[in-house]
Amino acid sequence: GENVEQHPSTLSVQEGDSAVIKCTYSDSASNYFPWYKQELGKRPQLIIDIRSNVGEKKDQRIAVTLNKTAKHFSLHITETQPEDSAVYFCAALDPNTGNQFYFGTGTSLTVIP
Amino acid sequence: DAGVIQSPRHEVTEMGQEVTLRCKPISGHNSLFWYRQTMMRGLELLIYFNNNVPIDDSGMPEDRFSAKMPNASFSTLKIQPSEPRDSAVYFCASSLGSGPYNSPLHFGNGTRLTVT
Repeated sequence: GENVEQHPSTLSVQEGDSAVIKCTYSDSASNYFPWYKQELGKRPQLIIDIRSNVGEKKDQRIAVTLNKTAKHFSLHITETQPEDSAVYFCAALDPNTGNQFYFGTGTSLTVIP
Repeated sequence: DAGVIQSPRHEVTEMGQEVTLRCKPISGHNSLFWYRQTMMRGLELLIYFNNNVPIDDSGMPEDRFSAKMPNASFSTLKIQPSEPRDSAVYFCASSLGSGPYNSPLHFGNGTRLTVT
């Protein structure tokens, strides 16, 4: 099955700086990659996703890039704010089932005011 | 839409007791997932249903765990008997399932289970 690896496990940045979280996947047939943000004590919430027919997608301060050849995708947060502090999970959709997701182990992001 | 609804939000029980967690998926979603989250193991998929049918229960840790989905709008996860190591946050999630347009998971608020 699919294997998703996520780095780093923890990340601290100064407010206003950029943060980058990287994930790799193993199944070249995977074609859908969502990112989730989980604030302390709350549920994971979808923040952005990308499909394999595009290389980049942006939504205000958040962007995701996908390199199908290298089988990796990254989350970029610019102009970070304290409210961006959370755990971020990447995921890849299992191409065999079409509805099961494989999650990375999470990145705990701290934005220092 | 109210989103995925889970109950209870918190459950504290003694070892050996039966625990039942409940989930109502988003209307129209045909895939439902049960996850367990702990600091040590992160997000673990326990079981998922497609059109009310269990598809993959390989993540269910032991026979003490069972899950049902009697209809499209309700699912339960039962632990009997419960043990302290079952303490975790249990999330239910739903999605539109497979199709021409990939659908993300929508998570409920979770049930925080503490077994003493």
